[in-house]
Amino acid sequence: DIVMTQTPLSSPVTLGQPASISCRSSQSLVHSDGNTYLSWLQQRPGQPPRPLIYKISNRFSGVPDRFSGGGAGTDFTLKISRVEPEDVGVYYCMQATQFPVTFGQGTKLEIK
Amino acid sequence: EVQLVESGGGLVQPGESLRLSCAASGFTFSTSWMTWVRQAPGKGLEWVASIKDEGDKGNYVDSVKGRFTISRDNAKESLCLQMNSLRVEDTAVYYCVRGTGGLAWGQGALVTVSS
Repeated sequence: DIVMTQTPLSSPVTLGQPASISCRSSQSLVHSDGNTYLSWLQQRPGQPPRPLIYKISNRFSGVPDRFSGGGAGTDFTLKISRVEPEDVGVYYCMQATQFPVTFGQGTKLEIK
Repeated sequence: EVQLVESGGGLVQPGESLRLSCAASGFTFSTSWMTWVRQAPGKGLEWVASIKDEGDKGNYVDSVKGRFTISRDNAKESLCLQMNSLRVEDTAVYYCVRGTGGLAWGQGALVTVSS
């Protein structure tokens, strides 16, 4: 199974400042079709997960452009350029390159 | 607008069965892989099972193999998860998800297994 490791697990951030979350996979996420099925999800308190980013760097419709994803192979990053109050929650990376689909442990974004 | 609405959750005793359903709308269900993901209270996300668009094959996490069965009815645009021999550790909110990469999520259905 592919293990997804996120750092940090908790991130206190000042409003208006940037935030960054790292996700590392135990093996390459490049699929045989050439795509890398690495996604990022946001889960606000009491809400279901909301998809933010797919295939490393593509934002879903309606996701603010202050969210960006990057990386390749086994190392990936989610960046928030300027944290807003509504960004509070837990962020997960997930891989769907190979079954079983696996998730990172989650990173809790809090406001200082 | 994509909508995924789960139903069928509830409280059961260990060893009992439960069937979850998910009504889908707003996208071409018959050409989409579908997935169940669960989240135990206060914990992270865990993939449970996925099924191909034609519905002839399911993939499962090891902990539910032989106990859970994922199925779909493309004509009714519905997804199901039959859960047998339920264990306390199956207690979780179960989410119906479009695709295998988390394209869209339902609100979830709570399954509680307790004596």
